[in-house]
Amino acid sequence: DTGVSQNPRHKITKRGQNVTFRCDPISEHNRLYWYRQTLGQGPEFLTYFQNEAQLEKSRLLSDRFSAERPKGSFSTLEIQRTEQGDSAMYLCASSSTRGVSGELFFGEGSRLTVL
Amino acid sequence: EDQVTQSPEALRLQEGESSSLNCSYTVSGLRGLFWYRQDPGKGPEFLFTLYSAGEEKEKERLKATLTKKESFLHITAPKPEDSATYLCAVKADYKLSFGAGTTVTVRA
Repeated sequence: DTGVSQNPRHKITKRGQNVTFRCDPISEHNRLYWYRQTLGQGPEFLTYFQNEAQLEKSRLLSDRFSAERPKGSFSTLEIQRTEQGDSAMYLCASSSTRGVSGELFFGEGSRLTVL
Repeated sequence: EDQVTQSPEALRLQEGESSSLNCSYTVSGLRGLFWYRQDPGKGPEFLFTLYSAGEEKEKERLKATLTKKESFLHITAPKPEDSATYLCAVKADYKLSFGAGTTVTVRA
């Protein structure tokens, strides 16, 4: 399978714990995005990488959130001291600068439940 | 700030009953209007890109059109497999801003 892979698919944690999600993009894609989606809403932009550089971070992303993309390959999204409001689906997407503009390839998401 | 509003929130159709979904937008410097399909528990899947008013794109039973302030997704003679949430998004720089989606249910 050469699509975007996300792990874990589901995570249940207690409030105050730290969680980390991993995204493996399509191998030749240099752009990587993290979005968050809650029930009944569309995906909300969190952050964007071009290669290993994090070029934009949404105001939605508090200091408890951090994302990395070492060596421009896979990416991790860490949430520290989780809160119940962090419960959501975290979606990763990748794209190529050579592809159709705006065509993002999404993974199946990592669903977080904070108890 | 970019705004994307989709209507209706939900649409229930009988198989073969054609209908349209609306996406109205406010954005500075539109660099594209995009339609995605999302099945339950899955990530969104790209359908169309529209760049300028008057442009149309078609794929099977779906047809997307664009005006200066809104886009329509027409579903012609839908089948149960067309049941999904359809998301509209706009691009002003490098990121997409999504609407809340229209959930379409097609009954056999």
